Amino acid sequence: GQQVMQIPQYQHVQEGEDFTTYCNSSTTLSNIQWYKQRPGGHPVFLIQLVKSGEVKKQKRLTFQFGEAKKNSSLHITATQTTDVGTYFCAGPVWIQGAQKLVFGQGTRLTINP
Amino acid sequence: NAGVTQTPKFQVLKTGQSMTLQCAQDMNHNSMYWYRQDPGMGLRLIYYSASEGTTDKGEVPNGYNVSRLNKREFSLRLESAAPSQTSVYFCASSELPYQETQYFGPGTRLLVL
Repeated sequence: GQQVMQIPQYQHVQEGEDFTTYCNSSTTLSNIQWYKQRPGGHPVFLIQLVKSGEVKKQKRLTFQFGEAKKNSSLHITATQTTDVGTYFCAGPVWIQGAQKLVFGQGTRLTINP
Repeated sequence: NAGVTQTPKFQVLKTGQSMTLQCAQDMNHNSMYWYRQDPGMGLRLIYYSASEGTTDKGEVPNGYNVSRLNKREFSLRLESAAPSQTSVYFCASSELPYQETQYFGPGTRLLVL
């Protein structure tokens, strides 16, 4: 079953509102990565978090890695139309004796200008 | 540098036809991956190649084969296409396997009738 879960699946906000997506793993992760996919585009790497409790910022985007390294969040302050897209988290998970990067289902963000 | 390139961009197949999706990277990465993306399902790993000369099954390998032709190129073959294989296919690469940031190609949109 899905080992990296993301919620919500969809989020629609008014421009200027904040947005948060959450990522949860059933197992402890050595790191968590976040990707953004614009409509019609391909996933693009945003950031990687490695340390327990780590917080990183990229302009209006704030990324957190939980203390137990099982959850993460991406928060966007004062959304802009350029933030539209699907945000994926991904973490390395042991599957059948090998470690593989497993992606969450993604949160699709749409914005009303 | 072009990064990761994929051909073709679009393809329409009839059930039972075969085709090969091509992927190449110019970043001297060791690892390469094939994903499919379906609505609401996120990115699912089909096959990957941790290093030149090795390939392994991912989450959804049935109906596909791969070839790691050399360090640069990793192809995905559909021997007998089925409508269930209608999807967007992304190739990705990373410097090292499993835990490293992945760089994605632009994708191939495949429709099987």
